[in-house]
Amino acid sequence: DAGITQSPRHKVTETGTPVTLRCHQTENHRYMYWYRQDPGHGLRLIHYSYGVKDTDKGEVSDGYSVSRSKTEDFLLTLESATSSQTSVYFCAISESMDRGTNQPQHFGDGTRLSIL
Amino acid sequence: GEDVEQSLFLSVREGDSSVINCTYTDSSSTYLYWYKQEPGAGLQLLTYIFSNMDMKQDQRLTVLLNKKDKHLSLRIADTQTGDSAIYFCAEYSSASKIIFGSGTRLSIRP
Repeated sequence: DAGITQSPRHKVTETGTPVTLRCHQTENHRYMYWYRQDPGHGLRLIHYSYGVKDTDKGEVSDGYSVSRSKTEDFLLTLESATSSQTSVYFCAISESMDRGTNQPQHFGDGTRLSIL
Repeated sequence: GEDVEQSLFLSVREGDSSVINCTYTDSSSTYLYWYKQEPGAGLQLLTYIFSNMDMKQDQRLTVLLNKKDKHLSLRIADTQTGDSAIYFCAEYSSASKIIFGSGTRLSIRP
C-alpha cells in the first residue's frame, strides 16, 4: 500500500470553527489531491498540488484552502466550517498527471469530519 | 463536460458472477480504472485498462472496454463475501484529470 497517512481520522467540531486536515506521504510523489466523498456524489476534487507551494482549484474549492510547504505534507483548511462541509475527506497522491502514462492515484484511509 | 456514470447498487448471490457497468463521455480517455472501497477505508486500485485494449483479465477480475459505446465493465467471477464493497470506475480524461463515477455498492446474498 502507498504510504499515505491522514490525520485526524475522525473529528467533530462546531460551525464557525477553523479545521485543518493533514495528509502525509512517504512516496515522494509530486502530485497530491484532496477529495470529499458524499452519498450520491462520489468523489469530488477540492484542490490539488503539483509541487511545493504549487496548488490549483478543483470543482468544489469554495470554503477550502490548501498549503504545501514540503513535498510530503498537504494541508486542507476550512477557515470557518459549515454544516455543508460535513463529509469524508480523502487525500490521494500520484507520480504525475500525464494521461499518456499509467499513473493512477493512490488514496489514504480518509478523515470523517462532522460539523454540528 | 466529462462525466462517468454507474448504477448505485448491485446484489448478487455468493458464488455467482458480478458485473458492474460504467459509461463515460470523454472519447479521448486513455486509461480507465476500477477501484474498490471497503467500509471505513480509502479507495484501493483494483485494475486498469488502456484505451487500445478491449479486454483485460486478472485472476477473478475481467475488464471489458467497448470504446465505441464508451462502456466499461468489471466482472468478478465466483463472488465472495469479501467482495462486498463500493466499486468506482474512473477515467483519465483529456484534461489530464481522473474523473470518478459515483460508485456501485455490491452486496452479496448467501
